Amino acid sequence: DGGITQSPKYLFRKEGQNVTLSCEQNLNHDAMYWYRQDPGQGLRLIYYSQIVNDFQKGDIAEGYSVSREKKESFPLTVTSAQKNPTAFYLCASSQRVSQPQHFGDGTRLSIL
Amino acid sequence: GDSVTQMEGPVTLSEEAFLTINCTYTATGYPSLFWYVQYPGEGLQLLLKATKADDKGSNKGFEATYRKETTSFHLEKGSVQVSDSAVYFCALSDLEDDKIIFGKGTRLHILP
Repeated sequence: DGGITQSPKYLFRKEGQNVTLSCEQNLNHDAMYWYRQDPGQGLRLIYYSQIVNDFQKGDIAEGYSVSREKKESFPLTVTSAQKNPTAFYLCASSQRVSQPQHFGDGTRLSIL
Repeated sequence: GDSVTQMEGPVTLSEEAFLTINCTYTATGYPSLFWYVQYPGEGLQLLLKATKADDKGSNKGFEATYRKETTSFHLEKGSVQVSDSAVYFCALSDLEDDKIIFGKGTRLHILP
């Protein structure tokens, strides 16, 4: 089955530590996205990528970094500069930007 | 810029009741409109879509009609079930802006 796989499902970060969230898709989609979801809030766009080796900042990129070295993969690093990282992180993909998006099941990040 | 406004939740209904979740939008171009659903602990799933005025999207008993004159895309279901309890997101994509914009989501509780 085609889809998006996010791992891990739960992740804990110590103060001052960088952590990387994995996102892999086998849908052959060009565009990939990272969103942050806080309780009672909608989705906020962190980064998105339209093609390999290219990505753009979304609305809340500070404290995060991404790479897009392969079409299937779009990992997100939450750096120590992100002072409030506790949230639910969602990865998505689409054939191209503005097309309907397919979502992974999310990674819940918490601070120890 | 483009925006999506949904009715605030939570919305609580009894099983077999009629559901309406309001969604209105502002857009400079001719957007496509979507409803996504998020079940607890999961990512978003595309529920239905409409790409032009007067189109009706439908899936799993849910319907929404693209009303250009009222800039609305209200979600309806004639008889809800407990399993419909989830968060529902209205969204639009505008080819001119080349991105998707999500509403803040509406949480739906269905009581048995």
